[in-house]
Amino acid sequence: EVQLVESGGGLVQPGGSLRLSCAASGFTFNIYSMNWVRQAPGKGLEWVSYILSTGRTTYYADSVKGRFTISRDDAKNSLFLQMNSLRAEDTAVYYCARVRGTTMARYYIDVWGKGTTVTVSS
Amino acid sequence: QSVLTQPPSVSAAPGQKVTISCSGSSSNIGNNYVSWYQQFPGTAPNLLIYENNERPSGIPDRFSGSKSGTSATLGITGLQTGDEADYYCGTWDSGLSAWVFGGGTKLTVL
Repeated sequence: EVQLVESGGGLVQPGGSLRLSCAASGFTFNIYSMNWVRQAPGKGLEWVSYILSTGRTTYYADSVKGRFTISRDDAKNSLFLQMNSLRAEDTAVYYCARVRGTTMARYYIDVWGKGTTVTVSS
Repeated sequence: QSVLTQPPSVSAAPGQKVTISCSGSSSNIGNNYVSWYQQFPGTAPNLLIYENNERPSGIPDRFSGSKSGTSATLGITGLQTGDEADYYCGTWDSGLSAWVFGGGTKLTVL
């Protein structure tokens, strides 16, 4: 069964850091590009970051650029999101998501994890 | 303010048809493929339509997608109460080098 399981969420103070992890199973992780997508309470989906299957290309939403870093460890079938300088507006459920599509123009998300909750508050 | 514009809500009676629009620009919908996602409260989104009009296995043919110019549309026929959910469109924005979602549409089946 294809599965993505996020972990690492929790309560953190403004200005603090947190590292999210996503454990992938049931598929060949190293051939897939991956995403982080978040959803603030009562709000819509917001794309956060993308990493190419090779790890050589990454993209970030403007709202997190310079503060968040996406990475992957194919040997451990894992995706990560290092979040620094956290703000109250980063409070959200963070989803790990698998990307499909032969080109960026055809890009879509076909598998989602259940999410991990990040709360930024003093 | 989302890059892609969706109506906040739509409603229709059981058995009827509903359409949800997603409006963008040449840098996103106009030159890239659109996908649609269904999300029930408290759960993760689920892929409904990809590459404008393709359905993943397991998605009933009551759900359809189309695209024209810089707009895309999700259609749902034979509405069921179980279709009540939030629906999101998404695509790559070549100008922003970013994935963009619509703001989401809440479907109510009256």
